[in-house]
Amino acid sequence: SDDLTQPPSVSVSPGQTARITCSGDALAKQHASWFQQKPGQAPVLLIYKDTERPSGIPERFSGSSSGTTVTFTISGVQAEDEADYYCQSPDSSGIYRLFGGGTKVTVL
Amino acid sequence: QVQLQESGPGLVKPSGTLSLTCTVSGVSVRGGSKYWTWIRQPPGKGLEWIGYIYYTGSTKYNPSLKSRVTMSVNTSKNQFSLKLNSVTAADTAVYYCAREADYGGDWIIDYWGQGAQVTVSS
Repeated sequence: SDDLTQPPSVSVSPGQTARITCSGDALAKQHASWFQQKPGQAPVLLIYKDTERPSGIPERFSGSSSGTTVTFTISGVQAEDEADYYCQSPDSSGIYRLFGGGTKVTVL
Repeated sequence: QVQLQESGPGLVKPSGTLSLTCTVSGVSVRGGSKYWTWIRQPPGKGLEWIGYIYYTGSTKYNPSLKSRVTMSVNTSKNQFSLKLNSVTAADTAVYYCAREADYGGDWIIDYWGQGAQVTVSS
């Protein structure tokens, strides 16, 4: 079935690198986006088309893709990066939209 | 600057109908290459795509909600709306409206409203 699977949580020390994977059959055909959501706020687009950054998004946020897995990376994690992160893509048909279950990033 | 704002009742009775409107500013809902989208988030849980509507009125809904969802668009008011009927406590969530735009062949959810809390309770 078309699902996107993310790890529930990732912990990282300040200045280190955090990596979040998102896996699903749809990703073999579709590109992914990544969103950051802080408590009480709407999600914010950080990455689209697997690797592209919207203007104004810091370079420490990046994305990559391989087969049916996409990876979101935060290089040089800062305390303000503590948040929930969601991957998203169209389903294999391109008609419907999927969200991963979300990953909580904790900065130690 | 594109802005979206949800509005509607924050409390709905079980078996009733949830109704929300999204008012868009900074861009016309009439323009092509845009899907106007609803997404929800139950308390403490992840994001769930509800569906989208094109300015022509064409829609696509999440198959799990399709039998209860209706979306509409009002180009004269630059708004689009969501109705979800036969609601239960499981429909309690923050409801977001959002814009999905065509980025050279890829549809990207790029702008979100602030979200509207809707609680289903008697």
